[in-house]
Amino acid sequence: SQQGEEDPQALSIQEGENATMNCSYKTSINNLQWYRQNSGRGLVHLILIRSNEREKHSGRLRVTLDTSKKSSSLLITASRAADTASYFCATRSFTGGGNKLTFGTGTQLKVEL
Amino acid sequence: DAEITQSPRHKITETGRQVTLACHQTWNHNNMFWYRQDLGHGLRLIHYSYGVQDTNKGEVSDGYSVSRSNTEDLPLTLESAASSQTSVYFCASSSSRLNEQFFGPGTRLTVL
Repeated sequence: SQQGEEDPQALSIQEGENATMNCSYKTSINNLQWYRQNSGRGLVHLILIRSNEREKHSGRLRVTLDTSKKSSSLLITASRAADTASYFCATRSFTGGGNKLTFGTGTQLKVEL
Repeated sequence: DAEITQSPRHKITETGRQVTLACHQTWNHNNMFWYRQDLGHGLRLIHYSYGVQDTNKGEVSDGYSVSRSNTEDLPLTLESAASSQTSVYFCASSSSRLNEQFFGPGTRLTVL
């Protein structure tokens, strides 16, 4: 079963606009991570936010976490064509043990020139 | 530079054949994972290992096996390939002290 569910499933924007993707999850978590996957490639880690953090920044990325609503959002500011990819949230839960992550189904982002 | 590699990158096989997908990492990570990626399902965990001689079943382990004889390698074996195992397979590794996972480039497997 999927822990994280991303919304929207697909998003198309113009270069320079901001892109926001949301992730909802079901059980208590230790941390939540966002990954990017370019077409035909493996996943690349973007950012990790712990359960006791509310907001985190990394370059043009801003992640928020609301544990009361069991949701997170990923904001990409001033998007570029190179940001075109699928974005996945992944949760590490307290019940999982070890270092297992549970991935959502992803948001496909297309940034058009 | 440290990396994680998978081979082969593409494989076509027939139903009933045994297939082994290789995963090799030079990060010296203790934790290694195998996922499959299918449309509409995201990534699902097949097997994982926390160290040499340690293996554990994931969410979709039926029909798959792994072995961990050294730190660098975690081969995934499909004992008798089925068409339902047509998928893209990703290997990943992580350090015990970090939570991020490093992914290989993937193997596209087609079972005819």
